[in-house]
Amino acid sequence: EDQVTQSPEALRLQEGESSSLNCSYTVSGLRGLFWYRQDPGKGPEFLFTLYSAGEEKEKERLKATLTKKESFLHITAPKPEDSATYLCAGGTTDSWGKLQFGAGTQVVVTP
Amino acid sequence: EAQVTQNPRYLITVTGKKLTVTCSQNMNHEYMSWYRQDPGLGLRQIYYSMNVEVTDKGDVPEGYKVSRKEKRNFPLILESPSPNQTSLYFCASTPSAVGAASPYSGANVLTFGAGSRLTVL
Repeated sequence: EDQVTQSPEALRLQEGESSSLNCSYTVSGLRGLFWYRQDPGKGPEFLFTLYSAGEEKEKERLKATLTKKESFLHITAPKPEDSATYLCAGGTTDSWGKLQFGAGTQVVVTP
Repeated sequence: EAQVTQNPRYLITVTGKKLTVTCSQNMNHEYMSWYRQDPGLGLRQIYYSMNVEVTDKGDVPEGYKVSRKEKRNFPLILESPSPNQTSLYFCASTPSAVGAASPYSGANVLTFGAGSRLTVL
């Protein structure tokens, strides 16, 4: 069964304290690993797409990496505005339309 | 402004009273999808549509219906709502089906609506 698992469920960081979020997947025929950010009361917003093992993408203080079994979202020197829930999702070749989301990691960055 | 619009944003209803949550996008996207979000379970796909008149079940379709008569609209219908359908619902769209387009195009970006919080008593 296709599954996307995120850890930890919640993460509390001091401003400037770097950390990493994990997304492990057992999606057969993975066709894209996606990272989204969700602020309270809002819909998810797209961050990154990764397609192949070894691929990395960066945006400001965020860097996403992909291996054959998992993806990491690294937050470098976070600021309070990085506080959000981060979601990862896997798309499969079995069904172009389906997208499997993880439960998310809630990140709180305190000043 | 390019966006996905859902209505209503908040709704409290009673068991068995049919309701429809509307979703409209102004980006001429082919693909649209509905998700529900529950604490600890994340986003789960209910139904999706690859194009007009083409719909398919996601992971949790029971108790829901959809239709795609026009490209811009993808309503979610709850014929007989039950308390276990109390949830936060999101509609999303993308130019084409996720994963189908070139990795270097913008086609794989899902644009989400702001969400509809539904409570069934």
